[in-house]
Amino acid sequence: GQQVQQSPSSLVLQEGENAELQCNFSSTATQLQWFYQSPGGSLVSLLSNPSGTKHTGRLTSTTVTKERRSSLHISSSQTTDSGTYLCAIDRGTGYQNFYFGKGTSLTVIP
Amino acid sequence: ETAVFQTPNYHVTQVGNEVSFNCKQTLGHDTMYWYKQDSKKLLKIMFSYNNKQLIVNETVPRRFSPQSSDKAHLNLRIKSVEPEDSAVYLCASSWDINERLFFGHGTKLSVL
Repeated sequence: GQQVQQSPSSLVLQEGENAELQCNFSSTATQLQWFYQSPGGSLVSLLSNPSGTKHTGRLTSTTVTKERRSSLHISSSQTTDSGTYLCAIDRGTGYQNFYFGKGTSLTVIP
Repeated sequence: ETAVFQTPNYHVTQVGNEVSFNCKQTLGHDTMYWYKQDSKKLLKIMFSYNNKQLIVNETVPRRFSPQSSDKAHLNLRIKSVEPEDSAVYLCASSWDINERLFFGHGTKLSVL
C-alpha cells in the first residue's frame, strides 16, 4: 500500500491566510522531510523533522512519531508559496529510501 | 540558488538506445542520489552513493547503472531504454544519509 498519504490533495487560499498540510505514513519513519516543488518543477527541501516541532521562517512542522503523522503550517501565505508540498519518509530499512507522498498542490491568490 | 547541476534538461530517444545523464554538486556533500519522478509526480529512490558505497533500490531494473568519478559527481546510465523509463530523473545530494536533500532541476526523458 501507499507509504505516505498527504491531505488535502489541493488547497486554494487568499493571500494572507494560513495553510495546514497533513502527512500520514503507514510505516515507522526514522526520517521525515517536507519539500516544496515549484510550478517549474525544481524541488527544494524545506525542513527535516522526524519528531517534535520545528520552525523556519513562516513554516512550522509538527511530527508525532507514535501517531505516524506530521503537519506543515504556513502562516501568512504569499502568492509565491504556490506550488506542490511533498512529505517524504525514510523507513530506516537500510536502503535509505525516501518514500514521497503525492503532495498537496497549494494555490495562493492575491 | 542551484548547487546541484543536471544535464541535459530534456532528452528524447527511441526504445533500445543507451542514454547517460550527468549530475554534479558543488555543496561538498558526501552523499548523492538518483530519484525517478513518474507522471503522477511520485518520487522513488533509485540509488544512493555515500563514501563510495552504493546502495541500490532492489526494484530498479538492471539496465540502470550509476557512475561516479568522485563524490561531487554521480551520473546515471540506462543501457537500453524502455517506454516505461519515460519520466523525470532527479539528482540530489546531502551531507549524510537522511540529512536534508538538495535537488537538481531534473532531466526529463521521453522514450518514443
